[in-house]
Amino acid sequence: DAKTTQPNSMESNEEEPVHLPCNHSTISGTDYIHWYRQLPSQGPEYVIHGLTSNVNNRMASLAIAEDRKSSTLILHRATLRDAAVYYCILRDVSTLGRLYFGRGTQLTVWP
Amino acid sequence: DTAVSQTPKYLVTQMGNDKSIKCEQNLGHDTMYWYKQDSKKFLKIMFSYNNKELIINETVPNRFSPKSPDKAHLNLHINSLELGDSAVYFCASSQDSATATIYFGEGSWLTVV
Repeated sequence: DAKTTQPNSMESNEEEPVHLPCNHSTISGTDYIHWYRQLPSQGPEYVIHGLTSNVNNRMASLAIAEDRKSSTLILHRATLRDAAVYYCILRDVSTLGRLYFGRGTQLTVWP
Repeated sequence: DTAVSQTPKYLVTQMGNDKSIKCEQNLGHDTMYWYKQDSKKFLKIMFSYNNKELIINETVPNRFSPKSPDKAHLNLHINSLELGDSAVYFCASSQDSATATIYFGEGSWLTVV
């Protein structure tokens, strides 16, 4: 299993930015960094992924450290609907679609 | 239209029974998966099929048998159900088995009593 380390939980107020960290010190050169989230009673949902450069999409931004040993998922303005468990996952072609979900970070958003 | 749909959503059954969970995806994807989320919320892959061929079988008991009649469907049959099989089972699909985004269904809650 490709290992990632995330805080168990984080909290934010609505409409504030949220920075969710992930450490992956043993990342290999071919590993992509993927983020998924799981809202209560739903299946996991893709958020964003990147290899080396920072990435933006309509849901979030992904900031990747220069040495690639850590990354940060940024939610620019948290909403109540963003309350979920966020998973940071390493993938490369050899994993054949296996997503190794750790415990993730439980994000609580306060109104 | 739901992209990855599973039925039933909830299933309560007795130990020893045989049950099936059906999954269909309308995304035109080549690869489909079954994942299991246990009571401690750990989510793990069970099986993966690519173009109807089994490519991942993650040391799952042989009471669990996936069947893919075509690329759009991947069903999960479970024989001789045990209490420990109680979990949420997620079907998923992706365009390929490499690094394509994986899309999950909403889950099937299985309770064995």
